[in-house]
Parts: sequence; C-alpha cells; structure tokens
Amino acid sequence: DAKTTQPTSMDCAEGRAANLPCNHSTISGNEYVYWYRQIHSQGPQYIIHGLKNNETNEMASLIITEDRKSSTLILPHATLRDTAVYYCIVRVDISYDKVIFGPGTSLSVIP
Amino acid sequence: GAVVSQHPSRVICKSGTSVKIECRSLDFQATTMFWYRQFPKKSLMLMATSNEGSKATYEQGVEKDKFLINHASLTLSTLTVTSAHPEDSSFYICSARGPGGSYEQYFGPGTRLTVT
Repeated sequence: DAKTTQPTSMDCAEGRAANLPCNHSTISGNEYVYWYRQIHSQGPQYIIHGLKNNETNEMASLIITEDRKSSTLILPHATLRDTAVYYCIVRVDISYDKVIFGPGTSLSVIP
Repeated sequence: GAVVSQHPSRVICKSGTSVKIECRSLDFQATTMFWYRQFPKKSLMLMATSNEGSKATYEQGVEKDKFLINHASLTLSTLTVTSAHPEDSSFYICSARGPGGSYEQYFGPGTRLTVT
C-alpha cells in the first residue's frame, strides 16, 4: 500500500470547518483514499472514501486533487465530539485487503 | 451500519495466564476478520488476518504461538494471548469486512488488556 503523510496534530475552533490534509504522492491507479477516525479508547470509525471524484456524506467531504497525490478531509462544522485521531489510508478495494494505519492527525476541537 | 462487538471490554490478568478475547459480527457474516493492537499514544498495528475455516495469517514479527487466533464460525473470531506478560498489556481491536460483498471494514470497540 502507498504511504501517506499527515500533520501530527491540528486545532480547530468549534463550529468552524476542519480541513485535514493528506499527501499520498505514490498512490496507484487502483488505490482508494480512505479516512477513518478514532476517538480516545474506542475502535476506529469509517468516515468516507473515494477514488478520484470528490465525495460527500453525512459526516464529511473528501476532496481529491486531480493528480490524486493529495486529498483533504473536510468536517464542515466541527464539534467537540469530533476531537479524535484521523487516519488517511490508501488501499486497494479488494476483499482481503488489510487496513494499515499510519500515525494519523490528532484533531483537537476547541470551544 | 454493520456492528462488530468485542468481549470483554476490559480484562486484567496475572502474568503467565492466558486470556481470550472475542470478536463478533452481530448482524452479518464475516469470512475475514483482522486483529490489531495499539499501545498508548500510538497507531494501530495489524497483528493478523483471521480467515474462517483456515489458519490465520500473521504479520511479520507477531508470534503465532503466543497470539492464538481461531475463526471457527462466520460471526466469531477469538484471540488468545497465551502466557501473558506485562508487555502484552495493550488495547486490542478487531475488525470485520462488511456484509454483502462490501470491502469496507467495521471495527470493534476494543479490549483493554492489563497484565499484572
């Protein structure tokens, strides 16, 4: 799987948009960009994923650059409950594919 | 969405004993489950892939005789930490591939193991 690079930590004011960047310059054509998050002492939670088009769901939006070498996860109106470690992962969408976690970005939403 | 449970959520055991952790897919069948461990302030580390009806596939550096994995049914995988040592104290998390051909993975809530 391609490696990803994320900032170690970020702060965001409550109610503002949180923009979490991820670099994946060696991504292959068949690899998807996935985002998970992990709230303290809980299991990871799936957020969103995409291949090359921008994606939006009830939790977040995913913006993937045209060359697919980077992406941004956007939480449109961050709340205190969004404080978590966010993991950007690239992987092939096959049934036995493993999810390999990097260090992620620790997001702190500040009142 | 699909739900994965783990039992127990917390366990304390003495050095030298064995402890079993269960991972269940509650509303779907999972032919493949994954086991991770996580140390404080660290990321998740994949330990092994658990395949229903066959032997688990362990990641490099993970002792298969120490971390026994059994995936005897389509809804249950177990991880047994044998002859536990204090350094085995960690947060253990399982995940299961989603239902209906989905490639998504759903994670359990984790099990906090403390070895005294």
